[in-house]
Amino acid sequence: EVQLLESGGGLVQPGGSLRLSCAASGFTFTSYAMSWVRQAPRKGLEWVSSITITGTYYADSVKGRFTISRDSSKNTLFLQMNSLRAEDTAVYYCAKGGSSDWDNHFDYWGQGTLVTVSS
Amino acid sequence: DIVMTQSPDSLAVSLGERATINCKSSQSVLYSSNYKNYLAWYQQKPGQPPKLLIYWASTRESGVPDRFSGSGSGTDFTLTISSLQVEDVAVYYCQQYYSTPLTFGGGTKVEIK
Repeated sequence: EVQLLESGGGLVQPGGSLRLSCAASGFTFTSYAMSWVRQAPRKGLEWVSSITITGTYYADSVKGRFTISRDSSKNTLFLQMNSLRAEDTAVYYCAKGGSSDWDNHFDYWGQGTLVTVSS
Repeated sequence: DIVMTQSPDSLAVSLGERATINCKSSQSVLYSSNYKNYLAWYQQKPGQPPKLLIYWASTRESGVPDRFSGSGSGTDFTLTISSLQVEDVAVYYCQQYYSTPLTFGGGTKVEIK
């Protein structure tokens, strides 16, 4: 059974940093693209970043501030978030891709972790 | 960027009746080399993460009831719930994965009339 468990969310001041983690199990972690998708309070879904075998991809809104990475030895996906802004406040979901590349649907989602950026 | 526009924003349908949600992309998401439409549909219930319903525009995910179906090609797509059930109350999103940035529609809230 595929499981994705996010952690690391919390309250952070504007300009601060936070590192999200997503522990994956139930599939061959290195064979699939992994992504982060966020949802601001009472808003829709916004793709943040994806990581594949060949590279990393970012939304313009986070490029230069966020870094996606993965530790294959621990089956864990990360999102390092720096220079956080109020508009980054959202539930952050970890999502598994349907294939090894970014051009695929998200077939499994974690429960999400809430990031609140506020002074 | 490909803009995904869903309509309506919300709809109320009687139990057992048909619900139809539309999704329009600002450019085609049909990849000519494999004739696949890079379009997925998700269902999100309150307090839960999204759940994949349909991918490649019309392929139902394993375990999804057959009352859910997807259709369309190019820039115009439809998600149909043939006979609405209580458990189908949710917000539905379309998403294109033809190009980055990956983009979602604004969502359609489905309620019981």
